[in-house]
Amino acid sequence: AQTVTQSQPEMSVQEAETVTLSCTYDTSESDYYLFWYKQPPSRQMILVIRQEAYKQQNATENRFSVNFQKAAKSFSLKISDSQLGDAAMYFCAYRSPPGRETSGSRLTFGEGTQLTVNP
Amino acid sequence: SAVISQKPSRDICQRGTSLTIQCQVDSQVTMMFWYRQQPGQSLTLIATANQGSEATYESGFVIDKFPISRPNLTFSTLTVSNMSPEDSSIYLCSVADLLRGNTIYFGEGSWLTVV
Repeated sequence: AQTVTQSQPEMSVQEAETVTLSCTYDTSESDYYLFWYKQPPSRQMILVIRQEAYKQQNATENRFSVNFQKAAKSFSLKISDSQLGDAAMYFCAYRSPPGRETSGSRLTFGEGTQLTVNP
Repeated sequence: SAVISQKPSRDICQRGTSLTIQCQVDSQVTMMFWYRQQPGQSLTLIATANQGSEATYESGFVIDKFPISRPNLTFSTLTVSNMSPEDSSIYLCSVADLLRGNTIYFGEGSWLTVV
């Protein structure tokens, strides 16, 4: 079974600076998807960024980018020019490709990293 | 992305009662999922709701406690039965968007407190 580990329960960053959140995972599969979700106090899960394992190029979405190291099974999230609205719980998640029975449907989450942005 | 609406958004429930959470999607989706997030914890998949067949439950979750309906491709319900304080959680509906690499999107969540 796949596991996802976020080793940083809490992180803080000054407004306008850059912060990196760590995520590692364990899998025997070669094809899969990785995601970062943001959960603000409203509790809604908001997709931040997605990475397909077969793509070598790191995904980027505006101020958010990932460092995907497939061999190391590492998937870190970098937030540039941090804003107060970035303060939230961030979850790293793994998903098998569709078709892998029910496991292909399941998102496996890490424990989360609580990000604080200081003004 | 798909727009997912959940009702209720928040409720306080009496011990021993049951509550049904509704999930409505603005487009037809093959896969709908129900997750639970207990206070201070990460998300755990309860079950996958299949249209036209019984839901597929994850280990530790049973149909008698969490019956699920999926009458069509845009709607599902999750019932939390015979509630106890341990059921106080956020329950989230989610869908897989086949047009966007099977990315999974979430509804706003239903925050239940059992007293």
